[in-house]
Amino acid sequence: AQTVTQSQPEMSVQEAETVTLSCTYDTSESDYYLFWYKQPPSRQMILVIRQEAYKQQNATENRFSVNFQKAAKSFSLKISDSQLGDAAMYFCAPYYKYIFGTGTRLKVLA
Amino acid sequence: NAGVTQTPKFQVLKTGQSMTLQCAQDMNHEYMSWYRQDPGMGLRLIHYSVGAGITDQGEVPNGYNVSRSTTEDFPLRLLSAAPSQTSVYFCASSYAGTQETQYFGPGTRLLVL
Repeated sequence: AQTVTQSQPEMSVQEAETVTLSCTYDTSESDYYLFWYKQPPSRQMILVIRQEAYKQQNATENRFSVNFQKAAKSFSLKISDSQLGDAAMYFCAPYYKYIFGTGTRLKVLA
Repeated sequence: NAGVTQTPKFQVLKTGQSMTLQCAQDMNHEYMSWYRQDPGMGLRLIHYSVGAGITDQGEVPNGYNVSRSTTEDFPLRLLSAAPSQTSVYFCASSYAGTQETQYFGPGTRLLVL
């Protein structure tokens, strides 16, 4: 069975600090794509960042970056200079079969 | 360009009633999917479609039907609603499947009494 694990149901970070959300997965696929989605209180799911598994370079989008370790099947999301608007649920989606993790709720403290 | 739209936003049903959740996209995406979101369980795939006339089951298909007669529309039918189907339902679309970003609708909150 292909599984996704987000082991941190909830995390808190001080405004302007850095936080890392973890995600591990299990797949026998060799070529796939990985995504982090954000779901703010509005419930709208929004793409945060996308990583192609065949690329060794970690993806970066402004304050968001990933630490992708293919051999370890790990895909963590780092948020730098956290802002109040980053408060949301974050879902990891190693997207080889429409599978999502259970989510991490991020609280940003002023 | 409206993206992915879903109707209704909120619905209350009685056990045994049937209804259709509507989903439409105007991005000419081939791939569309339906998820349900329950507390502590993330998003789970109900059904998906890789193009007009082609649908397949996801992880939790029981109690739901879908059809895809056009590229734009992908309705989800609840045949006989049960309290276990109380959830938030999301429709999503993407240009070409699992390697592409999914675009989500705003969700439909369903309460089955």
